[in-house]
Amino acid sequence: DTEVTQTPKHLVMGMTNKKSLKCEQHMGHRAMYWYKQKAKKPPELMFVYSYEKLSINESVPSRFSPECPNSSLLNLHLHALQPEDSALYLCASAKAGEETQYFGPGTRLLVL
Amino acid sequence: AQSVTQLDSQVPVFEEAPVELRCNYSSSVSVYLFWYVQYPNQGLQLLLKYLSGSTLVKGINGFEAEFNKSQTSFHLRKPSVHISDTAEYFCAVTYGGGKLIFGQGTELSVKP
Repeated sequence: DTEVTQTPKHLVMGMTNKKSLKCEQHMGHRAMYWYKQKAKKPPELMFVYSYEKLSINESVPSRFSPECPNSSLLNLHLHALQPEDSALYLCASAKAGEETQYFGPGTRLLVL
Repeated sequence: AQSVTQLDSQVPVFEEAPVELRCNYSSSVSVYLFWYVQYPNQGLQLLLKYLSGSTLVKGINGFEAEFNKSQTSFHLRKPSVHISDTAEYFCAVTYGGGKLIFGQGTELSVKP
């Protein structure tokens, strides 16, 4: 099973809303990632969690708040987003010590 | 700086023709290389990877790639494409540490 799941598939939110994106994997992977992808562009790394601890934050604005409650679950909490934050948000995971990342289907976010 | 260059932003090709998508990376002692495919409105799917060993790597859907250290290239090939291969293809590299560096992507368009 090499599946990473993400919910919801689509999300529309206003600039004053608070919402969360969820990512789950049951492959025993200990590294989990959040990426942001704009149309016709490659994914951009946002955060990396290793063994449930935040190891990389690519200078992401504080309106994005990641959380890793356990080794299978990764959340991205959203608050006071801007229209330019509209994008496809991708989650990925990898085995501890390995470089191969497996991606989920993404959540398409629209901020109005 | 570490970088990946995909030399063609768009590659149109007729069905059953061969195709090559080109990828060059900045040189390093140790490198791990990947090709991902992204179908419309979906996440990234791993096509193949080079971690070590044989320089000719075979992946899913009939794709293969060759790691060429002297030319710092990792070109993707398929001898006969199908309509269903129409997608965006991303070359990616990591030098360790979990940070994937993506190329800008190549849009493969297969025409009947």
